[in-house]
Amino acid sequence: DGGITQSPKYLFRKEGQNVTLSCEQNLNHDAMYWYRQDPGQGLRLIYYSQIVNDFQKGDIAEGYSVSREKKESFPLTVTSAQKNPTAFYLCASSISPAASRRSYNSPLHFGNGTRLTVT
Amino acid sequence: AQSVTQPDIHITVSEGASLELRCNYSYGATPYLFWYVQSPGQGLQLLLKYFSGDTLVQGIKGFEAEFKRSQSSFNLRKPSVHWSDAAEYFCAVGAQGGYNKLIFGAGTRLAVHP
Repeated sequence: DGGITQSPKYLFRKEGQNVTLSCEQNLNHDAMYWYRQDPGQGLRLIYYSQIVNDFQKGDIAEGYSVSREKKESFPLTVTSAQKNPTAFYLCASSISPAASRRSYNSPLHFGNGTRLTVT
Repeated sequence: AQSVTQPDIHITVSEGASLELRCNYSYGATPYLFWYVQSPGQGLQLLLKYFSGDTLVQGIKGFEAEFKRSQSSFNLRKPSVHWSDAAEYFCAVGAQGGYNKLIFGAGTRLAVHP
């Protein structure tokens, strides 16, 4: 079955440590995204990538970094510079708007998330 | 700037009752609108979307939503709620500049009483 896999489901780290969250998709989607979810705030975009070897900052990129070396993978690193890293992190993918005019704002497919707790 | 408002943080309904979840958006052009549902500890699943055409759109699980341009609204409805519908619901609008930069509302948590 095609889908998005995020691992691990739960992650615990000490303050000051960098941590990398995994996101893999086998949907053959060009575009991938990272969102952060906090209670009562909905989802906020951290980074997105329209194509391999290219990515752009979202609304809350400070303290985060990403890479897109393969189409299937879009790992997110939460660095020690992120002031409040404890949150639920969601990865998503979609057909790239560049692929077709009809794909503009095509629906996002989400993984099941990683809950990161930093103490 | 684009924004999405979901006025109700929590809603409780009885099983079998009708449901309407409100969503208001701010957007300068014809919006692309979505409703997603999230079960606890899970990712989001697309319920339905509006791009153009008929302003009443049908989705999965018996949900529908109506786009009203004059009211800048995209309310989600279901005629008869099931206990399994208890979840959090998010409205989203496609942001200007494309690239699927969706703006999400803060969500409405639905509880269903037996």
